[in-house]
Amino acid sequence: QVQLVESGGGVVQPGGSLRLSCSASGFTFSNYGMHWVRQAPGKGLEWVAFIPYGGSNNHYADSVKGRFTISRDNSKNTLYLQMNSLRAEDTAVYYCAKDSATVAHWFDPWGQGTLVTVSS
Amino acid sequence: QTVVTQEASFSVSPGGTVTLTCGLSSGSVSANYYPSWYQQTPGQAPRTLIYSTDTRSSGVPDRFSGSILGNKAALTITGAQADDDSDYYCVLYLGSGIWVFGGGTKVTVL
Repeated sequence: QVQLVESGGGVVQPGGSLRLSCSASGFTFSNYGMHWVRQAPGKGLEWVAFIPYGGSNNHYADSVKGRFTISRDNSKNTLYLQMNSLRAEDTAVYYCAKDSATVAHWFDPWGQGTLVTVSS
Repeated sequence: QTVVTQEASFSVSPGGTVTLTCGLSSGSVSANYYPSWYQQTPGQAPRTLIYSTDTRSSGVPDRFSGSILGNKAALTITGAQADDDSDYYCVLYLGSGIWVFGGGTKVTVL
């Protein structure tokens, strides 16, 4: 079955960097766009970034544009999120999710998430 | 900046019906925004309920239904059960590779 497993979360100081990974299995990874979505503690979901199956023409939420970079390695079935210049407000559980690869674009399934804490 | 609006909370009795809505701070929601709905319980990842306005995801009970009501997308739970006690999120696709989630609705079944 389709499985997404995030890793790379942890505690980082403000201004620091972190790279998250999302390992995919159970589907042809190179045929699907992928998303990162985050959830701050006690808050709602926030879409962060999208990468098409080909890995170019990526898109970002305004809140992370210029600081975060989404990328993928189709040979390793892995999605990444490079996070730079981290701020306290970036503290959240980060989920990766598979795009439906249709014009309707929904998120399914989701990984279990990895927690990023930005604190001094 | 586009804001997607959802009710903060709803309470429903077991066996009752509740309709959650998903609107836009300016303008109307139509099927062209491809609204989708997700259920989340504390500590768990979201689960897809509805996509493309009214299509149930695989394995989702038919007591969940999606629609457009007036100028909003809607999720209706008919015959609520105890394990429907969850947070529910809608998301709209604004086009050009941009998605926006609503703030979520907490549904309490009691």
